[in-house]
Amino acid sequence: ETGVTQTPRHLVMGMTNKKSLKCEQHLGHNAMYWYKQSAKKPLELMFVYNFKEQTENNSVPSRFSPECPNSSHLFLHLHTLQPEDSALYLCASSQEWEWGLAGGPNTYNEQFFGPGTRLTVL
Amino acid sequence: KNEVEQSPQNLTAQEGEFITINCSYSVGISALHWLQQHPGGGIVSLFMLSSGKKKHGRLIATINIQEKHSSLHITASHPRDSAVYICAVRSQGAQKLVFGQGTRLTINP
Repeated sequence: ETGVTQTPRHLVMGMTNKKSLKCEQHLGHNAMYWYKQSAKKPLELMFVYNFKEQTENNSVPSRFSPECPNSSHLFLHLHTLQPEDSALYLCASSQEWEWGLAGGPNTYNEQFFGPGTRLTVL
Repeated sequence: KNEVEQSPQNLTAQEGEFITINCSYSVGISALHWLQQHPGGGIVSLFMLSSGKKKHGRLIATINIQEKHSSLHITASHPRDSAVYICAVRSQGAQKLVFGQGTRLTINP
């Protein structure tokens, strides 16, 4: 496997179900992201993990629970979702600057995206 | 008003035409992305730039930092270029990307 993979690619769930989305990156990156893309809306950031630590939560409801057990894997646990949570959920990864590397805190490396999970909540 | 605005929102053209998609932003940035999203959802990064101009095949991206504006050009457009093109910026000192609403491009044969 190369790049960023996501499973499942499609998911249909009821409002009382519990499910999880999985993301795996094979690029040796140290940062991972969850994004949400709703119909007719721009992509919006949900969570950022750097070195397995959550560094950003973009005011996401608690029915979305991220987990990053290591720098290669990222999960999004879903419970008691609402129909308006139906969307495309995209994972991405990047290599962010860390002490010892050339450049500085503003060194920026591009984000690589997975194929997404299309979620439908009934 | 969004921090990142794209125009046009929809663009239909004939094969072979020269295409321009524009992106304006309102914050200081460290980098700007152009992304391509095909039906089905997968996103591919086309360019990341912080100044000047980049070219890759038939695609050209330019940025004017002073005017807070970037353009994506496609020369000799082809139906396989049909996709949604998204502009995203990374604010100075921040890690997250802020996205424009996308431009849906349709190239007819």
